[in-house]
Amino acid sequence: DAKTTQPNSMESNEEEPVHLPCNHSTISGTDYIHWYRQLPSQGPEYVIHGLTSNVNNRMASLAIAEDRKSSTLILHRATLRDAAVYYCIFSHGGSQGNLIFGKGTKLSVKP
Amino acid sequence: EAQVTQNPRYLITVTGKKLTVTCSQNMNHEYMSWYRQDPGLGLRQIYYSMNVEVTDKGDVPEGYKVSRKEKRNFPLILESPSPNQTSLYFCASSLSPNNRYMNTEAFFGQGTRLTVV
Repeated sequence: DAKTTQPNSMESNEEEPVHLPCNHSTISGTDYIHWYRQLPSQGPEYVIHGLTSNVNNRMASLAIAEDRKSSTLILHRATLRDAAVYYCIFSHGGSQGNLIFGKGTKLSVKP
Repeated sequence: EAQVTQNPRYLITVTGKKLTVTCSQNMNHEYMSWYRQDPGLGLRQIYYSMNVEVTDKGDVPEGYKVSRKEKRNFPLILESPSPNQTSLYFCASSLSPNNRYMNTEAFFGQGTRLTVV
């Protein structure tokens, strides 16, 4: 199984940065790391993905460790709308191509 | 607007009464899949389709059928629903599978909450 380990929950204050960690020690060299989030009562939403280098987009930044066994999703300024469950995922080869969701990290944002 | 549309959003049905949940995407994506989400079990893939007329089982396919006659549509069929299929269902599409050699953003529908009594 493509297993990742994330904290069950985290809290943040509004407008402060948030660092969401993920361990993926069994990742292989060509597996991409994906992050999705699921807001209450909605389907999962793509956040960011990367392979080796750190990545930035309009939603977040992704910092990937040099050994690729862990990564950190960074929300630079948390808003109330960022309260969601964040999933760190990697696809473990094959052509099935499914995203194997773990339990994710439930992020709460306090005003 | 790029989107995946599921219908219905909510459905209550009785055991054994055949039902279909529709899924349509407007992005010309080749890859489509169905997931179910249950408390404590997370999201699990039911079926997937690489392209038109190509479908295959995911991790929890028992009790479900799918078809892919057109690129944009990927209906989920429950021939004889049972209470253990009560769940929240999501359809997803992407340009290609998220395997190790290709990667692409997956778009998810809003979900269908199914209750089988």
